[in-house]
Amino acid sequence: DGGITQSPKYLFRKEGQNVTLSCEQNLNHDAMYWYRQDPGQGLRLIYYSQIVNDFQKGDIAEGYSVSREKKESFPLTVTSAQKNPTAFYLCASSVQDTATYEQYFGPGTRLTVT
Amino acid sequence: AQSVTQLGSHVSVSEGALVLLRCNYSSSVPPYLFWYVQYPNQGLQLLLKYTSAATLVKGINGFEAEFKKSETSFHLTKPSAHMSDAAEYFCAVSESNQFYFGTGTSLTVIP
Repeated sequence: DGGITQSPKYLFRKEGQNVTLSCEQNLNHDAMYWYRQDPGQGLRLIYYSQIVNDFQKGDIAEGYSVSREKKESFPLTVTSAQKNPTAFYLCASSVQDTATYEQYFGPGTRLTVT
Repeated sequence: AQSVTQLGSHVSVSEGALVLLRCNYSSSVPPYLFWYVQYPNQGLQLLLKYTSAATLVKGINGFEAEFKKSETSFHLTKPSAHMSDAAEYFCAVSESNQFYFGTGTSLTVIP
């Protein structure tokens, strides 16, 4: 079955450590996205990528970094510069980065930093 | 920039009652509209989408939504709530290759 895989489901880190969240898709989608979800705030876009080796900042990119070396993979690194990294992180993909195509979501990774 | 407003962050209905979740958007040009559902600690699942075809859109699990241009609304309804409908619901708007999400409505179904 095609879909989006995010691992791990739960992640715990100490403050000051960088951590990388995995996102893999086998849907052959061109575009991929990372969102952060906090209670009562909906989804906020961190980074997105329309094509391999290219990505753009979203609304809250500070303290995060990404890479897109392969079409199916879009890992997100939460750096120590991110002031409040504890959140639920969602990865998504779409056929193309156009308005009519819905986004497909992975199951999410809940990151807790103490 | 587009904005999406979901009126009511929490909605409670009795099992078997009508479900109505409200969504308004700000664009003057009809955008593409989506409703997603999220169960606890899971990703978002597409319920339905409007892409300028019929104004009444039917989705999965018995949900439907009606696009009303004059009201810039895309409210989600279901005639009879089921316990399994308890979840968080997000309205989203797509315009100029950007997705804009509402802040979500948490639906509680009372037995």
